[in-house]
Amino acid sequence: GEDVEQSLFLSVREGDSSVINCTYTDSSSTYLYWYKQEPGAGLQLLTYIFSNMDMKQDQRLTVLLNKKDKHLSLRIADTQTGDSAIYFCAEMNYGGSQGNLIFGKGTKLSVKP
Amino acid sequence: NAGVMQNPRHLVRRRGQEARLRCSPMKGHSHVYWYRQLPEEGLKFMVYLQKENIIDESGMPKERFSAEFPKEGPSILRIQQVVRGDSAAYFCASSAYRGTNEKLFFGSGTQLSVL
Repeated sequence: GEDVEQSLFLSVREGDSSVINCTYTDSSSTYLYWYKQEPGAGLQLLTYIFSNMDMKQDQRLTVLLNKKDKHLSLRIADTQTGDSAIYFCAEMNYGGSQGNLIFGKGTKLSVKP
Repeated sequence: NAGVMQNPRHLVRRRGQEARLRCSPMKGHSHVYWYRQLPEEGLKFMVYLQKENIIDESGMPKERFSAEFPKEGPSILRIQQVVRGDSAAYFCASSAYRGTNEKLFFGSGTQLSVL
């Protein structure tokens, strides 16, 4: 079945780069997503990548996709305290005739000043 | 341009009571999704609805849970005879279309606590 795995915690110092990793199992996924959840808030779509790409850059965010290994990563450059949140990796599953997002358990990023 | 609105933000129920969670999608969005987040877990898909139709309820428990998205008004997720295991954050999302690059916009969630 489908499964998305992430490490649960990451701690970095302000100004350093953060790298959050994710592995997925559904090789038919067409899009992979990164969502950010701040305390008490809903999920905010940060960025996404199409499965025929291997890299996407958006300001401080860089997404790398290794389709062969089914590995996705999110790099945040110059991490700030405001980046502290839970980051969810998700794949779009098109099982059957409909699709839905399959989420990992989330990586809690703590940024120390 | 209001985002996805969910209410209430927090809902406390005793075992055996009913919980009704409401979701108003973004303006112009006709596709609604409900997800549940258990403590320390990722979000799990429950149900996908369009106006007046349930399209995919493969993630919804067979008993006690129901969802609707009427022609007028918000989408409702209804949980009858709640049990402690129903305690979770329930998130609603909406999208403008259904396709390979649909983007889901999430509400802030309803935190359900069952005493």
